[in-house]
Amino acid sequence: GDSVTQMEGPVTLSEEAFLTINCTYTATGYPSLFWYVQYPGEGLQLLLKATKADDKGSNKGFEATYRKETTSFHLEKGSVQVSDSAVYFCALSDGGYGQNFVFGPGTRLSVLP
Amino acid sequence: GAVVSQHPSWVICKSGTSVKIECRSLDFQATTMFWYRQFPKQSLMLMATSNEGSKATYEQGVEKDKFLINHASLTLSTLTVTSAHPEDSSFYICSASSGGGRAQYFGPGTRLLVL
Repeated sequence: GDSVTQMEGPVTLSEEAFLTINCTYTATGYPSLFWYVQYPGEGLQLLLKATKADDKGSNKGFEATYRKETTSFHLEKGSVQVSDSAVYFCALSDGGYGQNFVFGPGTRLSVLP
Repeated sequence: GAVVSQHPSWVICKSGTSVKIECRSLDFQATTMFWYRQFPKQSLMLMATSNEGSKATYEQGVEKDKFLINHASLTLSTLTVTSAHPEDSSFYICSASSGGGRAQYFGPGTRLLVL
Protein backbone atom coordinates (compact mmCIF):
# COMPACT_ATOMS: atom_id res chain seq x y z
CA GLY A 1 0.00 0.00 0.00
CA ASP A 2 0.87 3.66 -0.07
CA SER A 3 3.39 4.89 2.49
CA VAL A 4 5.31 7.98 3.55
CA THR A 5 8.76 8.07 5.09
CA GLN A 6 10.29 11.13 6.66
CA MET A 7 13.47 11.82 8.54
CA GLU A 8 13.60 10.92 12.19
CA GLY A 9 13.69 13.75 14.65
CA PRO A 10 14.12 15.62 16.71
CA VAL A 11 15.84 18.26 14.62
CA THR A 12 17.42 21.08 16.58
CA LEU A 13 18.56 24.23 14.82
CA SER A 14 19.64 27.70 15.74
CA GLU A 15 17.53 30.64 14.67
CA GLU A 16 18.15 31.70 11.05
CA ALA A 17 19.57 28.31 10.10
CA PHE A 18 18.55 26.51 6.91
CA LEU A 19 15.99 23.73 7.33
CA THR A 20 15.47 20.58 5.30
CA ILE A 21 13.13 17.79 6.35
CA ASN A 22 13.25 14.89 3.94
CA CYS A 23 10.11 13.11 2.84
CA THR A 24 9.78 10.24 0.37
CA TYR A 25 6.70 8.30 -0.59
CA THR A 26 5.52 5.17 -2.32
CA ALA A 27 2.21 5.18 -4.12
CA THR A 28 0.58 3.22 -6.88
CA GLY A 29 -1.03 6.20 -8.56
CA TYR A 30 -0.40 9.93 -8.73
CA PRO A 31 -1.06 11.22 -5.25
CA SER A 32 -1.34 14.74 -3.96
CA LEU A 33 1.36 15.60 -1.42
CA PHE A 34 1.05 17.70 1.72
CA TRP A 35 2.99 19.08 4.63
CA TYR A 36 1.08 19.59 7.87
CA VAL A 37 2.40 21.30 10.99
CA GLN A 38 1.31 20.72 14.57
CA TYR A 39 2.19 23.38 17.12
CA PRO A 40 2.19 22.41 20.80
CA GLY A 41 -1.32 21.79 22.07
CA GLU A 42 -2.95 22.49 18.71
CA GLY A 43 -4.41 20.52 15.82
CA LEU A 44 -2.68 19.77 12.54
CA GLN A 45 -2.63 22.73 10.15
CA LEU A 46 -2.05 22.50 6.43
CA LEU A 47 1.29 24.14 5.65
CA LEU A 48 1.50 23.56 1.91
CA LYS A 49 0.53 21.13 -0.82
CA ALA A 50 1.28 20.06 -4.36
CA THR A 51 -1.02 18.10 -6.60
CA LYS A 52 1.17 17.09 -9.54
CA ALA A 53 4.77 16.48 -10.52
CA ASP A 54 7.05 19.53 -10.48
CA ASP A 55 4.51 21.61 -8.57
CA LYS A 56 6.04 23.70 -5.81
CA GLY A 57 4.02 24.38 -2.69
CA SER A 58 4.99 27.35 -0.57
CA ASN A 59 3.73 29.11 2.52
CA LYS A 60 5.23 31.18 5.36
CA GLY A 61 8.72 30.85 3.86
CA PHE A 62 8.48 27.05 3.59
CA GLU A 63 8.76 25.34 0.21
CA ALA A 64 8.49 21.80 -1.11
CA THR A 65 8.64 20.52 -4.69
CA TYR A 66 6.84 17.41 -5.91
CA ARG A 67 9.58 15.27 -7.45
CA LYS A 68 8.08 12.28 -9.21
CA GLU A 69 11.41 10.90 -10.40
CA THR A 70 12.75 10.64 -6.87
CA THR A 71 9.31 10.22 -5.21
CA SER A 72 10.19 13.00 -2.81
CA PHE A 73 8.62 16.10 -1.31
CA HIS A 74 11.33 17.60 0.90
CA LEU A 75 10.41 20.57 3.08
CA GLU A 76 12.81 23.54 3.12
CA LYS A 77 13.04 26.94 4.73
CA GLY A 78 15.90 29.33 4.29
CA SER A 79 15.87 30.90 7.75
CA VAL A 80 13.97 29.30 10.61
CA GLN A 81 12.54 31.15 13.58
CA VAL A 82 11.84 30.06 17.13
CA SER A 83 8.14 30.20 16.27
CA ASP A 84 8.67 27.42 13.70
CA SER A 85 9.24 24.92 16.51
CA ALA A 86 6.60 22.24 15.95
CA VAL A 87 6.04 18.74 14.60
CA TYR A 88 5.92 18.49 10.80
CA PHE A 89 4.01 15.72 9.03
CA CYS A 90 4.43 14.76 5.40
CA ALA A 91 1.33 13.17 3.91
CA LEU A 92 -0.14 11.93 0.65
CA SER A 93 -3.67 11.58 -0.55
CA ASP A 94 -4.74 9.34 -3.37
CA GLY A 95 -8.20 10.79 -3.57
CA GLY A 96 -7.43 14.43 -4.09
CA TYR A 97 -7.44 17.13 -1.50
CA GLY A 98 -8.70 15.89 1.79
CA GLN A 99 -9.39 12.23 1.23
CA ASN A 100 -7.63 9.00 2.17
CA PHE A 101 -4.58 10.49 3.83
CA VAL A 102 -1.43 8.51 4.56
CA PHE A 103 0.82 10.31 7.01
CA GLY A 104 4.51 10.07 7.78
CA PRO A 105 5.55 9.65 11.42
CA GLY A 106 6.25 13.33 11.94
CA THR A 107 9.50 15.22 12.58
CA ARG A 108 9.86 17.38 15.66
CA LEU A 109 11.73 20.63 15.03
CA SER A 110 13.16 22.74 17.84
CA VAL A 111 14.61 26.13 16.99
CA LEU A 112 16.82 27.72 19.61
CA PRO A 113 17.25 31.48 19.95
CA GLY B 1 -12.30 30.02 11.08
CA ALA B 2 -12.38 26.25 10.54
CA VAL B 3 -11.73 25.23 14.12
CA VAL B 4 -12.14 21.68 15.32
CA SER B 5 -12.11 20.85 19.01
CA GLN B 6 -11.79 17.57 20.85
CA HIS B 7 -12.82 16.68 24.36
CA PRO B 8 -11.28 15.52 26.54
CA SER B 9 -7.70 16.39 25.67
CA TRP B 10 -6.50 13.45 27.71
CA VAL B 11 -8.10 10.69 29.71
CA ILE B 12 -6.93 7.90 32.00
CA CYS B 13 -9.26 4.99 32.60
CA LYS B 14 -9.26 1.50 34.04
CA SER B 15 -9.19 -1.57 31.84
CA GLY B 16 -12.69 -2.75 30.93
CA THR B 17 -14.33 0.65 31.03
CA SER B 18 -15.63 2.61 28.04
CA VAL B 19 -14.40 6.03 27.03
CA LYS B 20 -16.14 8.56 24.81
CA ILE B 21 -14.22 11.18 22.84
CA GLU B 22 -16.03 14.12 21.23
CA CYS B 23 -15.04 15.94 18.07
CA ARG B 24 -16.76 19.23 17.26
CA SER B 25 -16.54 21.58 14.30
CA LEU B 26 -16.99 24.98 15.89
CA ASP B 27 -17.60 27.27 12.95
CA PHE B 28 -18.59 25.15 9.97
CA GLN B 29 -20.80 22.23 9.13
CA ALA B 30 -18.85 19.02 8.88
CA THR B 31 -20.59 16.58 6.60
CA THR B 32 -17.62 14.24 6.90
CA MET B 33 -15.47 13.50 9.92
CA PHE B 34 -12.42 11.29 10.13
CA TRP B 35 -10.91 9.50 13.10
CA TYR B 36 -7.20 8.76 13.25
CA ARG B 37 -5.02 6.93 15.73
CA GLN B 38 -1.36 7.68 16.35
CA PHE B 39 1.08 5.50 18.26
CA PRO B 40 4.28 7.07 19.63
CA LYS B 41 6.72 7.94 16.87
CA GLN B 42 4.39 6.48 14.27
CA SER B 43 2.11 7.78 11.55
CA LEU B 44 -1.46 8.84 11.96
CA MET B 45 -3.55 5.89 10.86
CA LEU B 46 -7.05 6.43 9.55
CA MET B 47 -9.52 4.40 11.58
CA ALA B 48 -12.83 5.38 10.07
CA THR B 49 -14.73 7.91 8.03
CA SER B 50 -18.17 9.06 9.06
CA ASN B 51 -20.77 11.02 7.17
CA GLU B 52 -23.49 12.83 9.06
CA GLY B 53 -26.50 10.63 9.51
CA SER B 54 -24.84 7.52 8.10
CA LYS B 55 -22.94 4.58 9.50
CA ALA B 56 -19.19 5.02 9.67
CA THR B 57 -16.91 3.31 7.18
CA TYR B 58 -14.10 1.53 8.99
CA GLU B 59 -10.64 0.83 7.65
CA GLN B 60 -9.47 -2.72 7.35
CA GLY B 61 -8.39 -4.14 10.68
CA VAL B 62 -10.36 -1.67 12.81
CA GLU B 63 -12.99 -3.36 14.98
CA LYS B 64 -16.27 -1.54 14.55
CA ASP B 65 -17.71 -3.05 17.72
CA LYS B 66 -14.68 -1.87 19.65
CA PHE B 67 -14.58 1.66 18.29
CA LEU B 68 -18.12 2.99 18.04
CA ILE B 69 -18.51 6.11 15.96
CA ASN B 70 -21.57 8.31 15.94
CA HIS B 71 -21.96 11.33 13.68
CA ALA B 72 -25.45 12.46 14.61
CA SER B 73 -25.14 16.12 13.72
CA LEU B 74 -23.21 18.37 11.36
CA THR B 75 -21.00 19.61 14.17
CA LEU B 76 -20.42 16.59 16.39
CA SER B 77 -18.93 13.15 16.03
CA THR B 78 -18.11 10.83 18.91
CA LEU B 79 -15.73 7.92 19.19
CA THR B 80 -16.42 5.46 22.00
CA VAL B 81 -13.71 2.98 22.90
CA THR B 82 -15.63 0.11 24.45
CA SER B 83 -14.15 -2.20 27.08
CA ALA B 84 -10.83 -0.45 26.80
CA HIS B 85 -7.60 -2.37 27.30
CA PRO B 86 -4.02 -1.15 27.71
CA GLU B 87 -3.30 -1.78 24.04
CA ASP B 88 -5.94 0.82 23.17
CA SER B 89 -3.76 3.48 24.78
CA SER B 90 -2.94 5.90 22.01
CA PHE B 91 -3.41 9.41 20.64
CA TYR B 92 -6.72 9.81 18.85
CA ILE B 93 -7.15 12.67 16.38
CA CYS B 94 -10.28 13.68 14.52
CA SER B 95 -10.65 15.85 11.47
CA ALA B 96 -13.66 17.40 9.83
CA SER B 97 -14.52 18.42 6.31
CA SER B 98 -17.46 20.16 4.74
CA GLY B 99 -17.35 17.43 2.12
CA GLY B 100 -16.92 17.33 -1.60
CA GLY B 101 -13.18 16.74 -1.31
CA ARG B 102 -12.70 20.00 0.57
CA ALA B 103 -9.96 20.47 3.14
CA GLN B 104 -9.84 18.50 6.35
CA TYR B 105 -9.36 20.50 9.54
CA PHE B 106 -7.80 18.63 12.41
CA GLY B 107 -8.57 18.62 16.09
CA PRO B 108 -5.83 18.83 18.73
CA GLY B 109 -6.10 15.15 19.63
CA THR B 110 -7.04 13.14 22.70
CA ARG B 111 -4.49 11.11 24.58
CA LEU B 112 -5.94 7.93 26.08
CA LEU B 113 -4.14 5.88 28.71
CA VAL B 114 -5.74 2.63 29.81
CA LEU B 115 -4.39 1.18 33.02
